[in-house]
Amino acid sequence: GAVVSQHPSRVICKSGTSVKIECRSLDFQATTMFWYRQFPKQSLMLMATSNEGSKATYEQGVEKDKFLINHASLTLSTLTVTSAHPEDSSFYICSARGGVAGVYEQYFGPGTRLTVT
Amino acid sequence: GIQVEQSPPDLILQEGANSTLRCNFSDSVNNLQWFHQNPWGQLINLFYIPSGTKQNGRLSATTVATERYSLLYISSSQTTDSGVYFCAVGETGGSYIPTFGRGTSLIVHP
Repeated sequence: GAVVSQHPSRVICKSGTSVKIECRSLDFQATTMFWYRQFPKQSLMLMATSNEGSKATYEQGVEKDKFLINHASLTLSTLTVTSAHPEDSSFYICSARGGVAGVYEQYFGPGTRLTVT
Repeated sequence: GIQVEQSPPDLILQEGANSTLRCNFSDSVNNLQWFHQNPWGQLINLFYIPSGTKQNGRLSATTVATERYSLLYISSSQTTDSGVYFCAVGETGGSYIPTFGRGTSLIVHP
């Protein structure tokens, strides 16, 4: 089956620093990637959708200057949390979807737990 | 946008029991997936099932698109089935961005 990796799995950073999270599709070409945020005991909250080679589309209320998303290739997307603050601490999950016409199955990475101190 | 409701929100079972999880959606869909989020946070694909019935071992799923619901059946539950089960749907004619339900939290006791 399709595999999506995410790195790092855990990161602790100091307030004011930036953190980059990588999401890779290992065995398929991901024309679309999604970035989610999940708070404890809650559902996934979509942050943004990115298509390869295009600018990301951010959901309402998500600061695009704070959460920089780059989808430079068909196998890699990155999320950079800039000037992180404790309230940015969360579980961040990426997912990827291939380009088969009419098939919209998405595959998830294992997630990154971010703690900002 | 499309609304997705999952029931029950919480479920506690004894090992070996069977269960049915439900996902209702408010509009027609062109894709529907069931996921299991394990205690470590990983979402595992269970079924891609915009319509029809599929089975995989002890799990099976049925989507009746015309009546706007999907069911996930777990038979002979095991402790490893514990976690949260999410349904995600994409609205027909929409932007193909999936909408998630709030999930069903399942605990299976030995």
